[in-house]
Amino acid sequence: AQTVTQSQPEMSVQEAETVTLSCTYDTSESDYYLFWYKQPPSRQMILVIRQEAYKQQNATENRFSVNFQKAAKSFSLKISDSQLGDAAMYFCAYRGAYRDDKIIFGKGTRLHILP
Amino acid sequence: NAGVMQNPRHLVRRRGQEARLRCSPMKGHSHVYWYRQLPEEGLKFMVYLQKENIIDESGMPKERFSAEFPKEGPSILRIQQVVRGDSAAYFCASSPIRSSGMYTQYFGPGTRLTVL
Repeated sequence: AQTVTQSQPEMSVQEAETVTLSCTYDTSESDYYLFWYKQPPSRQMILVIRQEAYKQQNATENRFSVNFQKAAKSFSLKISDSQLGDAAMYFCAYRGAYRDDKIIFGKGTRLHILP
Repeated sequence: NAGVMQNPRHLVRRRGQEARLRCSPMKGHSHVYWYRQLPEEGLKFMVYLQKENIIDESGMPKERFSAEFPKEGPSILRIQQVVRGDSAAYFCASSPIRSSGMYTQYFGPGTRLTVL
């Protein structure tokens, strides 16, 4: 079975600084998708960024980028120029490309932004 | 285009009562997924439905929980005889077709169920 592990329950970063959130996963599948979701206090799930496993190039969305290491099964999220609005729970998630429709989530990392 | 709608946003029930959670997918979406988020946990898959069909219910507890997605109207997640352990946030997501990986599942705002 696929699993997603986020080893940092909480992290803090100074406003305007850069922070990296870690995520590892386990799967026997060769093709899959990886996601980072943001959950602010409103509890709405917001897709931040996604990565196709068959692509070597790391995905980037404005201030958000990932470091995807397929062999190591690692998928970290880097947030540059952190802003107060980035404070939220961040969930790493996995989804199989073929058979599985469900998304498998990690337990989350709570990110605090220090003014 | 309105997003995924869930209601109620907050639901309080006493032990033994029934909870009924509703989800209206985005317009044009015919696939619905339910997830549960326990306190301080990530979301966990419960069930995947198409119109009038349950496709995957591998994450549903065997007793007291049921889900449906009728031809007309919203998808319903029903919890009978609720217990305190059912207290959680329940999220619905929808997609336009069978979501083979990249097609995004769009999440609703969730229903927070509190069992007294």
